[in-house]
Amino acid sequence: DADVTQTPRNRITKTGKRIMLECSQTKGHDRMYWYRQDPGLGLRLIYYSFDVKDINKGEISDGYSVSRQAQAKFSLSLESAIPNQTALYFCATSPTGTSGRATFFGEQFFGPGTRLTVL
Amino acid sequence: AQTVTQSQPEMSVQEAETVTLSCTYDTSENNYYLFWYKQPPSRQMILVIRQEAYKQQNATENRFSVNFQKAAKSFSLKISDSQLGDTAMYFCAFIQPDSNYQLIWGAGTKLIIKP
Repeated sequence: DADVTQTPRNRITKTGKRIMLECSQTKGHDRMYWYRQDPGLGLRLIYYSFDVKDINKGEISDGYSVSRQAQAKFSLSLESAIPNQTALYFCATSPTGTSGRATFFGEQFFGPGTRLTVL
Repeated sequence: AQTVTQSQPEMSVQEAETVTLSCTYDTSENNYYLFWYKQPPSRQMILVIRQEAYKQQNATENRFSVNFQKAAKSFSLKISDSQLGDTAMYFCAFIQPDSNYQLIWGAGTKLIIKP
């Protein structure tokens, strides 16, 4: 099955360390997203990319950077991790519809999440 | 700014009962799309049901249905004959075509189905 995968699934690190979270997809989707989930706050968008050359900041991009290495790969980096970046991180993808409705508009497909703990 | 409000942080019902989760949203646009996602303890985000705002008919997927009230900007999720496997966080979200494909998310409702 076409899928969205994330590595690692869990990570514990120390303050000040550089961390990279990786996302790969076999769905053939152009659009990819990185979200952060905190209890009581739902999902907040960190960065999104519409293709390899198009990367955009989301609601909470400070302290994060991304790299779109290929259509299928989108990585999130924390250059110097801090404890308040402890959270569940999700990668998601969505297709580009020719009319916006080739599939259901706006539907996103999620990876399994990465639990990151910064001590 | 667009917002999504889920006013019930947590709910619990007995197995086989019907439960309704509420969601309201704020937008000045007429064209948009609405979603309910489920996040079980496995933490995977799973699409439950979706609705186009231009459709008056409420979406239904097996035991899951919505009550879409466009004028009231309300999009509640009804789960009939609830099962233990329905225990999860449920998130409401919406998107507008001119929004750079950014979903706006509610804070979630934790639903517990009791045996």
